Amino acid sequence: DGGITQSPKYLFRKEGQNVTLSCEQNLNHDAMYWYRQDPGQGLRLIYYSQIVNDFQKGDIAEGYSVSREKKESFPLTVTSAQKNPTAFYLCASSRDREIGNEQFFGPGTRLTVL
Amino acid sequence: QQPVQSPQAVILREGEDAVINCSSSKALYSVHWYRQKHGEAPVFLMILLKGGEQKGHEKISASFNEKKQQSSLYLTASQLSYSGTYFCGTETGNTPLVFGKGTRLSVIA
Repeated sequence: DGGITQSPKYLFRKEGQNVTLSCEQNLNHDAMYWYRQDPGQGLRLIYYSQIVNDFQKGDIAEGYSVSREKKESFPLTVTSAQKNPTAFYLCASSRDREIGNEQFFGPGTRLTVL
Repeated sequence: QQPVQSPQAVILREGEDAVINCSSSKALYSVHWYRQKHGEAPVFLMILLKGGEQKGHEKISASFNEKKQQSSLYLTASQLSYSGTYFCGTETGNTPLVFGKGTRLSVIA
């Protein structure tokens, strides 16, 4: 079955540690996205990538980094510079960045920083 | 610019209807609608494109008023399974989708 996988589902880290969240898709989509979700805030875009080896900052990129070395993979690193990293993180993909393309979401990773 | 959704929350009894609105301060090229159950991924419902094209579920209806920069999602004869948070996302040009803060819908028996 085609889809997006994110791992792990729950992640706990100590304050000051970097952590990398995995996102893999087998939909052959060019575009991939990372969102952060906090209660009552909706989905806020962290980074997006339109094609391999290219990515752009979203609205809340500070304290995060990404890479796009393969079409199917778009990992997100939450660095120690992110002041409030505890949140629900969602990865998504779309066929490309043309207007009107549906985004498909992964199941999410809930990160808790202790 | 984040689109504004209204209402923020609504409670319905099974069989009742609801309308969720989404408005933007910018000219819109498309409006996307998603539903999310607690702790799960958002699920695609519908896309409305400038010019009138629609893509999505047959049982869900929505409107897109380009002049007013608004969209409305119509949920008729609600079922318990309709409960969740509904998000609209807007495309205003060559920028990524921007989501509203969501409308929490609760359907009770």
